[in-house]
Order: sequence, then C-alpha cells, then structure tokens
Amino acid sequence: EADIYQTPRYLVIGTGKKITLECSQTMGHDKMYWYQQDPGMELHLIHYSYGVNSTEKGDLSSESTVSRIRTEHFPLTLESARPSHTSQYLCASSGGIGGYTFGSGTRLTVV
Amino acid sequence: ILNVEQSPQSLHVQEGDSTNFTCSFPSSNFYALHWYRWETAKSPEALFVMTLNGDEKKKGRISATLNTKEGYSYLYIKGSQPEDSATYLCAVITQGGSEKLVFGKGTKLTVNP
Repeated sequence: EADIYQTPRYLVIGTGKKITLECSQTMGHDKMYWYQQDPGMELHLIHYSYGVNSTEKGDLSSESTVSRIRTEHFPLTLESARPSHTSQYLCASSGGIGGYTFGSGTRLTVV
Repeated sequence: ILNVEQSPQSLHVQEGDSTNFTCSFPSSNFYALHWYRWETAKSPEALFVMTLNGDEKKKGRISATLNTKEGYSYLYIKGSQPEDSATYLCAVITQGGSEKLVFGKGTKLTVNP
C-alpha cells in the first residue's frame, strides 16, 4: 500500500508541450525529493524540499521546476518538453532516520 | 562530487545459493548509508539505514555490514530465492550533505529457480 503517489506512471508527449508530474504523500513528511534516472545510470537528485515554500536544486542540473505549497504535494513541471527530457522520474520523502519512501515513478517519453 | 560504486553490476545465482555484493564510498565526511531493494515495476524499498562503523543489520535472510574507516558496505543474501530478484541500491549521505542521498548504479540480482 503506497504512502507516496506519483502520476502518471507512463507519459508519452510531443516536443514543446508543458507537463506536470504529480507527487503526493500522506505521511506528513517535511522532506521531499525528485530523482531522475536514465537507463543504466544512477538515480540523480534534481530537486529537493525541506518544507512548505522551500525548494532547492539538486546535484544534477535540470530544466524542470518544482513547487511546495502544501506539505503533502511536490509537483514537478517542464514548461517545454524536449526529447532530452526522456527519462524516469522518481519522487521520495523522508521523515527521519528510517530511509526514504519512494513513489512508483513516472516514465516520461518526449517524441 | 561524491562517488558511490557498487559491484558487481549484475549477478545470476541459483535458488538456494548465498550471495553478497559490495558498495564502496569515500570514507571522509561519512554520515549514513542506505540499502534499497528495487523490484521491477515497483518502488524502491528501504532495507537498512546504517551509520556506525561496524554496524551489522539483519532482516530475514538479508544482512548488511558497514566499515566507515575503509569506505565499504556488504550486503549478504543467504539461501537466495526467486523473489529476491531485484536491483539492490546503495546510497550515502555525507556530513554537510543536507541529508541528500547519493546513489550507486545498483547491483541487479537474478535468482534462477
């Protein structure tokens, strides 16, 4: 039973479209993260938030943006999708020392 | 940039075999190490969080050890079962790293019946 929800699971979209990947958690965690993973590569942190109205860029540069208006919601937006944005995007949250809780991921394909 | 190395990249074993794999990381500024198990089409699931040198953790047939002085952790699976087939991810947090996990590429384990 997932406590962190990502939608959509799969998305195929044309170049130039604006997209928003949704991530919601029901655990009341303050810390939330977005990771990007290309095939055969590591998960790379692209955005993180330590609470409402707090967002920071991660170690991997990304053209995406995020917002944190509510504790439970951490959406990621691409204003103009490009084929180079094709990847898997994973959302996670943490509430302490017990490890991260991950969503199921969104596989994005930009054609 | 922190570099977390995992080996081997992939591993095929027979049901009942015991196996282990390695995670290596820079020993300086170490804060914590996480192990995750990621089955296909599912979410990564936290297995262990380890912080102290010499830590040993166990969960059923899976156990892990940590050596922060030399910068490595081992994950062991005793009597592998087909349901253990997954990618096992190691991730490290450094002091001053703002609790951000840096992941290795993972070890993909396939257990044949």
